[in-house]
Amino acid sequence: EVQLVQSGAEAKKSGESLKISCKTSGYNFRHFWIGWVRQMPGKGLEWMGIFHPADSRSTYSPSFQGHVTFSADTSSSTAYLQWSSLTASDTAMYYCARIDCNGGDCSTLLSHWFDPWGQGTLVTVAS
Amino acid sequence: QSVLTQPPSASGTPGQRVTISCSGSSSNIGSNYVYWYQQLPGTAPKLLIFWNNQRPSGVPDRFSGSKSGTSASLAISGLRSEDEAEYYCATWADSLYGHVLFGGGTKLTVL
Repeated sequence: EVQLVQSGAEAKKSGESLKISCKTSGYNFRHFWIGWVRQMPGKGLEWMGIFHPADSRSTYSPSFQGHVTFSADTSSSTAYLQWSSLTASDTAMYYCARIDCNGGDCSTLLSHWFDPWGQGTLVTVAS
Repeated sequence: QSVLTQPPSASGTPGQRVTISCSGSSSNIGSNYVYWYQQLPGTAPKLLIFWNNQRPSGVPDRFSGSKSGTSASLAISGLRSEDEAEYYCATWADSLYGHVLFGGGTKLTVL
């Protein structure tokens, strides 16, 4: 069974750094992109970017470029999302998801979807 | 404001059929597949529809998706109380490879 298990809730202060994790199991971690999604309190889903663990290729949403960094440890099949300097507006739930495709033409990302998702990591930043 | 436009809310009574729309443009929905995700209260999103109208195994056939031009729809027939959730459409941005677009979400209430 494919599973993505995220690290626990974090309470931080503005200006602090943070790294949250997304530990995967049940599949070859190096073969699939990982996506990150933010959900601010009471709001919708916002795509942050995607990351490929095999070669560290990444694409960031312009809204998050320069503010967050994706990384991974292939030895532990774990993906990471990190901030060097948090702000109060980073308070949100963060989800990781495997980007998958099967059963058809999967030659481009355009045919891929987010499944499954991690349970989410709640990050609270106090100003 | 999301590039993909969804109504903020929808409602129906048990047994009814409801539809949720998702409007985009030629550079996103018009040229790419549409995906739908269901987010039950307090839980992570879950894939509901892929490739416009395909259901992953385990998703009831009460859920169906369609796409026409630059718009897509999610239909739920035989509405049940457990369908009360937030529903999001998504697609890839054609002009920016690797960029994902989410709709603003539609809160479905089962009356």
